[in-house]
Amino acid sequence: GAVVSQHPSRVICKSGTSVKIECRSLDFQATTMFWYRQFPKQSLMLMATSNEGSKATYEQGVEKDKFLINHASLTLSTLTVTSAHPEDSSFYICSATWGEETQYFGPGTRLLVL
Amino acid sequence: DQQVKQNSPSLSVQEGRISILNCDYTNSMFDYFLWYKKYPAEGPTFLISISSIKDKNEDGRFTVFLNKSAKHLSLHIVPSQPGDSAVYFCAAGVFLETSYDKVIFGPGTSLSVIP
Repeated sequence: GAVVSQHPSRVICKSGTSVKIECRSLDFQATTMFWYRQFPKQSLMLMATSNEGSKATYEQGVEKDKFLINHASLTLSTLTVTSAHPEDSSFYICSATWGEETQYFGPGTRLLVL
Repeated sequence: DQQVKQNSPSLSVQEGRISILNCDYTNSMFDYFLWYKKYPAEGPTFLISISSIKDKNEDGRFTVFLNKSAKHLSLHIVPSQPGDSAVYFCAAGVFLETSYDKVIFGPGTSLSVIP
């Protein structure tokens, strides 16, 4: 099956710093990438939908200026958590698709803000 | 190596019949399992979960069964309805020492319910 990677797999940073998470589709061109956040013991929350070459569409309640998404190419999307705070600590997952049904998930990135 | 597997990429079921979606995992350390449903052009939505200490959880038409010795879980939908046609993702999670969990998703199974 198709492979989606995320980098880094885990990151620990100080409060106030910015963290960039990369999502790559390794063997296919992803027309759309999704970014999710997983809260402990809760279901996945969709943060934004990113189409290559256009601005991301954010879900209600997600701050655009806080979570910057750049989908620069058909194989790469980045999520930057700006001025991270402890409450941003979470598990961030991306997924990529080239069609409407098939969606491939990355392994996730664990962010811990101290 | 895939830790969460869904070996059937697609499944077709007649309306009113039972749909059984299967999922296998390799890591016996998973603490809970989740099923997500995804419609075209939308993100997945949470459907049902089961703790690793249980063997069954039921919510309306949806029942998840867990067989820990076989490292296998299944989602049963009874009766199946055309609106159930979607891609179903199985996911497995593990509690970590920190405040967030690690969740691994399977590749998904596309279910078609035929009227």
